Amino acid sequence: AQRVTQPEKLLSVFKGAPVELKCNYSYSGSPELFWYVQYSRQRLQLLLRHISRESIKGFTADLNKGETSFHLKKPFAQEEDSAMYYCALSTIYGQNFVFGPGTRLSVLP
Amino acid sequence: EAGVAQSPRYKIIEKRQSVAFWCNPISGHATLYWYQQILGQGPKLLIQFQNNGVVDDSQLPKDRFSAERLKGVDSTLKIQPAKLEDSAVYLCASSQLAVKNIQYFGAGTRLSVL
Repeated sequence: AQRVTQPEKLLSVFKGAPVELKCNYSYSGSPELFWYVQYSRQRLQLLLRHISRESIKGFTADLNKGETSFHLKKPFAQEEDSAMYYCALSTIYGQNFVFGPGTRLSVLP
Repeated sequence: EAGVAQSPRYKIIEKRQSVAFWCNPISGHATLYWYQQILGQGPKLLIQFQNNGVVDDSQLPKDRFSAERLKGVDSTLKIQPAKLEDSAVYLCASSQLAVKNIQYFGAGTRLSVL
């Protein structure tokens, strides 16, 4: 069965510092990986997905199949990045979605 | 573009009572999802519809939970009877058929079972 782990419940960094949110997964096939974000009082929304290989709001994530990881990175954190971040996985057919437990990112001034 | 609509926003019931949640997806979105999010956890997929057919309901507790999506548009999720452990936020999401993995979420329904 698929599983997504996010080892940090809370991550605090200072504004301008680099940030890395960790995500590891277990899945026997070829997964599709996503990062979803929930800002305060807003709906859960897609941040980025690995097949797009794009940078959104300065965030990037690289799928490392050897380490079964999909860590989210940003070189310079901003206060508006403070939010709850969820890593998620699905099959290539868009089924069997599994979300990780989430990491709360707090960017301090 | 209007977003995913859910109602009610909040619901408080006593255990063993029944409750129903409603979801109206974004127009034209063929895929609809229901998730349960318990406090402090990530969303857990309960059921996924493609049009009005069920794609995945492997984690739906079928002895008490049911869901339907008549006419392939809006959907209802029902719990009967409710247990204390059903207290959670119930999220509905939808996605287009062609780009099905980009899910758009509703605001959720917060259920408290007393």
